Amino acid sequence: DGGITQSPKYLFRKEGQNVTLSCEQNLNHDAMYWYRQDPGQGLRLIYYSQIVNDFQKGDIAEGYSVSREKKESFPLTVTSAQKNPTAFYLCASTGQEPGPQHFGDGTRLSIL
Amino acid sequence: QKEVEQNSGPLSVPEGAIASLNCTYSDRGSQSFFWYRQYSGKSPELIMFIYSNGDKEDGRFTAQLNKASQYVSLLIRDSQPSDSATYLCAVNDYGQNFVFGPGTRLSVLP
Repeated sequence: DGGITQSPKYLFRKEGQNVTLSCEQNLNHDAMYWYRQDPGQGLRLIYYSQIVNDFQKGDIAEGYSVSREKKESFPLTVTSAQKNPTAFYLCASTGQEPGPQHFGDGTRLSIL
Repeated sequence: QKEVEQNSGPLSVPEGAIASLNCTYSDRGSQSFFWYRQYSGKSPELIMFIYSNGDKEDGRFTAQLNKASQYVSLLIRDSQPSDSATYLCAVNDYGQNFVFGPGTRLSVLP
């Protein structure tokens, strides 16, 4: 079945550590997105990519980095510069416009 | 700054009633509109999308779009306790940029 796979499901970060969240899709979608969701809040865009080797900052990119070396993959690194990383991270992709976004199951990141 | 607004709720309705969820958006250039359901601790799942003014029905769900007034709504008929969730409204301007509202919590009481 086609879909978006995020891993790990749960992740713990030590202070000063960088961690990488994986997002893989087999939907052949061009556009991929990373969102952050805090408890009781909506989705806030971190980064998005519309094509391989290109990505754009979203509303809250500081302290995060991404790469898009393959169409299927869009990993997110939460760097030590992100002082409040505890949140639910969602990866999404979109096919041909104006289609909807499809979401992975999310990664819950916590501080140790 | 493009904005999407929703009443945060909680919206409580008795089982079997109609639940009405509303969403307004600021960007007149918005072209496509989506409703997602999100259960606690889970990722959003697509319920409906609508691109043209008017109503679009899918089972117990009806999406209504009024571009002149810049609002989109979701009606859930014969509400069930399993419909209890947060409903997210999302708006897209054909630029592959999606803006999400904060969500409305719906509680369907048995």
